[in-house]
Amino acid sequence: DAGITQSPRHKVTETGTPVTLRCHQTENHRYMYWYRQDPGHGLRLIHYSYGVKDTDKGEVSDGYSVSRSKTEDFLLTLESATSSQTSVYFCAIKFTSGRSGELFFGEGSRLTVL
Amino acid sequence: AQKITQTQPGMFVQEKEAVTLDCTYDTSDQSYGLFWYKQPSSGEMIFLIYQGSYDEQNATEGRYSLNFQKARKSANLVISASQLGDSAMYFCAMRLSGGSNYKLTFGKGTLLTVNP
Repeated sequence: DAGITQSPRHKVTETGTPVTLRCHQTENHRYMYWYRQDPGHGLRLIHYSYGVKDTDKGEVSDGYSVSRSKTEDFLLTLESATSSQTSVYFCAIKFTSGRSGELFFGEGSRLTVL
Repeated sequence: AQKITQTQPGMFVQEKEAVTLDCTYDTSDQSYGLFWYKQPSSGEMIFLIYQGSYDEQNATEGRYSLNFQKARKSANLVISASQLGDSAMYFCAMRLSGGSNYKLTFGKGTLLTVNP
């Protein structure tokens, strides 16, 4: 168990409201990621972080911002949620041990924007 | 830009038979890695198997093997002796090597149904 938790796990909100999703890890991994999953699109990278205060955009970053002020937390913010941001959001960390460098995923956060 | 293609939206297989899930990729890099993940209906993402671009042998993990054909840029997942519990969505993913730019790009997935 990589000790990764996402909160909230489920959220329903209205268009135009701000939303923050939190990803918390307990094992000091350097890399953290936010993906969204939508039917027919697989998983698409929103933003990722390679250290405290070091972040970069993924392929679907418009409308999202992130922050990483400490190693264990990676926050994803929707400044003004839209219905197109209804999705399942996955946080992931990169394992540093072993050669494959696979990502380990959290359980997902289901966001519904009405 | 790197790209992962899974051309089979859905596949069916009989229990105890083998099945191949297709994955092709596009990159001009020489160093890269290929991954397969399983997502059951419960929603969690489970890492299955990894193949490095310089690996000479095809990767195997239990009933999973990766049929890596570098010249054809394909990395198909083979599941032997299918079980009912193998019914799930399967994703192929690729990462490029290099510095802090470590990220995985995923295909759209293949939904596998194992019939009794």
